[in-house]
Amino acid sequence: GESVGLHLPTLSVQEGDNSIINCAYSNSASDYFIWYKQESGKGPQFIIDIRSNMDKRQGQRVTVLLNKTVKHLSLQIAATQPGDSAVYFCACDRGSTLGRLYFGRGTQLTVWP
Amino acid sequence: DAGVIQSPRHEVTEMGQEVTLRCKPISGHDYLFWYRQTMMRGLELLIYFNNNVPIDDSGMPEDRFSAKMPNASFSTLKIQPSEPRDSAVYFCASSTSGQGIQEQYFGPGTRLTVT
Repeated sequence: GESVGLHLPTLSVQEGDNSIINCAYSNSASDYFIWYKQESGKGPQFIIDIRSNMDKRQGQRVTVLLNKTVKHLSLQIAATQPGDSAVYFCACDRGSTLGRLYFGRGTQLTVWP
Repeated sequence: DAGVIQSPRHEVTEMGQEVTLRCKPISGHDYLFWYRQTMMRGLELLIYFNNNVPIDDSGMPEDRFSAKMPNASFSTLKIQPSEPRDSAVYFCASSTSGQGIQEQYFGPGTRLTVT
C-alpha cells in the first residue's frame, strides 16, 4: 500500500523563526502533493499543493519543496507565528487512482512566544 | 459557499445503539470522502464516492459500518451496532476533478463517543 510519513511527530519553534516540516512518500508514481493544517477541534485545511512537474511552490509565508529523487517533501513556514500552532499533514496521490489522497500521521507544530 | 457541512457535531451514545452521521458536500463537487481520526491511527480513509457511486470501501472497518450517497448533496455514514472502539472524530470531505484538482475540503467533523 501507500506509505506517507513525517520525519518528526512534534516540532517546537520560537515566534519569528522559520519552521521546516518534512515528509517522505514511497510511491514514485505520485503526481500530486498537498499540505494541510489542522487546528484543535477543526477539520484539516488546505495550505498549499504542488505537482510532480515542479520542485518548488510558494504561497503567503509558506513554501513547499519537492525532491522526487529521494521522494521527499517539505513545508517551510517563514516568520512562524503563534497562530501557526497546529498539526500539519502531508498527503499525496498514487498517480493512478484519481481523487484519493494518502495522508501522513502529522507533525504537531508548537510556536513559543 | 458554506463549505462541507456535517451533523451532528457531537454524538454521545451507548454501546449497541445505531449512529448516523450526515454530510453535505460542497455544491458541484463530484468526490466525497469519509475519514476517521484517532490518536492511535491518525487519519484513516473509510470510503469514498465519485458521482454518488462508492469507489473504494476497503477502509470500512467491518460490516457494522455502512455508507450511502443517495444524491450529489447528501451522504450518511451509519454504525450499527456501535462499540466503544468506534469513538473517534469522523470527517467528511469533498473535492472536484473538474480541473484535475484533487484538493479535498474537509468538514468540521463529528466527534463520536460510544460509552
